[in-house]
Amino acid sequence: DTAVSQTPKYLVTQMGNDKSIKCEQNLGHDTMYWYKQDSKKFLKIMFSYNNKELIINETVPNRFSPKSPDKAHLNLHINSLELGDSAVYFCASSQGTVPYEQYFGPGTRLTVT
Amino acid sequence: GQNIDQPTEMTATEGAIVQINCTYQTSGFNGLFWYQQHAGEAPTFLSYNVLDGLEEKGRFSSFLSRSKGYSYLLLKELQMKDSASYLCAVPSGGYNKLIFGAGTRLAVHP
Repeated sequence: DTAVSQTPKYLVTQMGNDKSIKCEQNLGHDTMYWYKQDSKKFLKIMFSYNNKELIINETVPNRFSPKSPDKAHLNLHINSLELGDSAVYFCASSQGTVPYEQYFGPGTRLTVT
Repeated sequence: GQNIDQPTEMTATEGAIVQINCTYQTSGFNGLFWYQQHAGEAPTFLSYNVLDGLEEKGRFSSFLSRSKGYSYLLLKELQMKDSASYLCAVPSGGYNKLIFGAGTRLAVHP
């Protein structure tokens, strides 16, 4: 049974396009996250939702818009894609908002050409 | 703000012991995490230290000194499958917002 799943696993698209990445967790957690891992493997938090409410919103271009339809799902929509958006995007989940183990999805490798 | 430093790369021999260090500066300490990430895969949780001292979990142990802003991950009886990146992270900002170090890439050789 997959705990945190993401689709698609790979995404190749051209500059200027709009794309979405979906994430689902079946762990019963109430908090979900989006991370970006760049080519230097540096993992950086982007957003977090707790019970569908946005609680972490880092300095990210407003072309990135997260949406949480329910606490088991977190999507990431990216408008007007740029070359610098190429990275691996990881979704994660945890229970609560206190420091606790986060479970990561397999990642979505986005390549913008 | 937060600042986390780890060595970029380390190499070790199968069967040996390796210690991966992490130093951190944070405003308000709320524990320290270690994650393992194999190439092309997701990070997976290894340990979480809140109190000073050594916590052992099988072949892996994690140490914390809050006064020194220092932690290390100790890997014993190294196996080839331990070749991976090891990420040190601290929570920040009152939520479970993890600030990750750049990671230490460990290569285990026969």
